[in-house]
Amino acid sequence: SQQGEEDPQALSIQEGENATMNCSYKTSINNLQWYRQNSGRGLVHLILIRSNEREKHSGRLRVTLDTSKKSSSLLITASRAADTASYFCATDNQAGTALIFGKGTTLSVSS
Amino acid sequence: DVKVTQSSRYLVKRTGEKVFLECVQDMDHENMFWYRQDPGLGLRLIYFSYDVKMKEKGDIPEGYSVSREKKERFSLILESASTNQTSMYLCASSLSGLDYGYTFGSGTRLTVV
Repeated sequence: SQQGEEDPQALSIQEGENATMNCSYKTSINNLQWYRQNSGRGLVHLILIRSNEREKHSGRLRVTLDTSKKSSSLLITASRAADTASYFCATDNQAGTALIFGKGTTLSVSS
Repeated sequence: DVKVTQSSRYLVKRTGEKVFLECVQDMDHENMFWYRQDPGLGLRLIYFSYDVKMKEKGDIPEGYSVSREKKERFSLILESASTNQTSMYLCASSLSGLDYGYTFGSGTRLTVV
């Protein structure tokens, strides 16, 4: 049961540029989370935004949430080569017992 | 540094073998999860547990079972491994409740031949 879907599937940018990834979901949520995965490794939690929040910042990350459109975006400002990774959004399943992940956006930052 | 440890990074098993994937967390987390990750399919939830000896089926439990005898350890069992279970397996843990992120292990890449 796929809840969130990221867009685009892949994104290539130059160092210093901003990267924006979007996530759409289908049903009401308690919160939405973003994770990063470096190639072949586990996922790392980046940020959690609650359903009653509209925007949240963490360092170079900015997340927005629009519950009326059932969508979220992750903005990475001033990208670095080290930001090259896959990024996933996750929302709770219908029972509210576990996270369901999207298929991810693969970000490639070249120097 | 708190972490989730998966016992094997790479594993190769034969079809029909019984396979155990072990996961241990040192954060006293109540919840533990097993996902598999396949290209084009993303992460799919296999099983999860919110307490010792408790387990819940995820979206794709067929062919798998789990064991949680101690709070810190959550094992995924492939009763009779098949080639379609070749995948990356990811274990995660979290505190109880909805407002916490997951901590993931580094993953076990299982190949069934």
